Amino acid sequence: GAVVSQHPSWVICKSGTSVKIECRSLDFQATTMFWYRQFPKQSLMLMATSNEGSKATYEQGVEKDKFLINHASLTLSTLTVTSAHPEDSSFYICSARGERGAVDTQYFGPGTRLTVL
Amino acid sequence: EDQVTQSPEALRLQEGESSSLNCSYTVSGLRGLFWYRQDPGKGPEFLFTLYSAGEEKEKERLKATLTKKESFLHITAPKPEDSATYLCAVQPNTGNQFYFGTGTSLTVIP
Repeated sequence: GAVVSQHPSWVICKSGTSVKIECRSLDFQATTMFWYRQFPKQSLMLMATSNEGSKATYEQGVEKDKFLINHASLTLSTLTVTSAHPEDSSFYICSARGERGAVDTQYFGPGTRLTVL
Repeated sequence: EDQVTQSPEALRLQEGESSSLNCSYTVSGLRGLFWYRQDPGKGPEFLFTLYSAGEEKEKERLKATLTKKESFLHITAPKPEDSATYLCAVQPNTGNQFYFGTGTSLTVIP
């Protein structure tokens, strides 16, 4: 079953509004959470890395004031796309890094499809 | 510079036709190499972790192997349901980040 959930799975919003995406690790505590963006038929593009209780580390070219990340607990991280515009439309995927069984790796959520009109 | 290259970009196989996907990497000390499967419109699903050269992991029709420079994902007698994009990632000894390849899109034709 799923080990990382994302909510919502899809969202359509008007240009200029803000959208919040939640990412939860379901049966383990995540030392680190990651946020990715993926364009059609392309690979994952890392946006930011966050650790619980500290500020996120953003990749070069990612606007931290536009993509707000809050890592409130060891099982929850949120990504808020502020003042969204059509070019922000994309597939956003989170992952949580943690140990399940003997494997320490990144476990991915199912993704959130954002469409900005 | 740490990087991961996957080949081929796309692969079409007849059902039952075995083949291999390649993941070449350069990293300053390898903590782990990871294989994921991604279906369209979904997040990647974890398949395997390999930690050291010579290591092999198997799951159903898939077998992953690792050398000091590359990893192979062998698919034996594939079925149409194996169609997906397969992603490879490496994690260096230092830091949290994983470096992903661009993936191999596999299509298995009945």
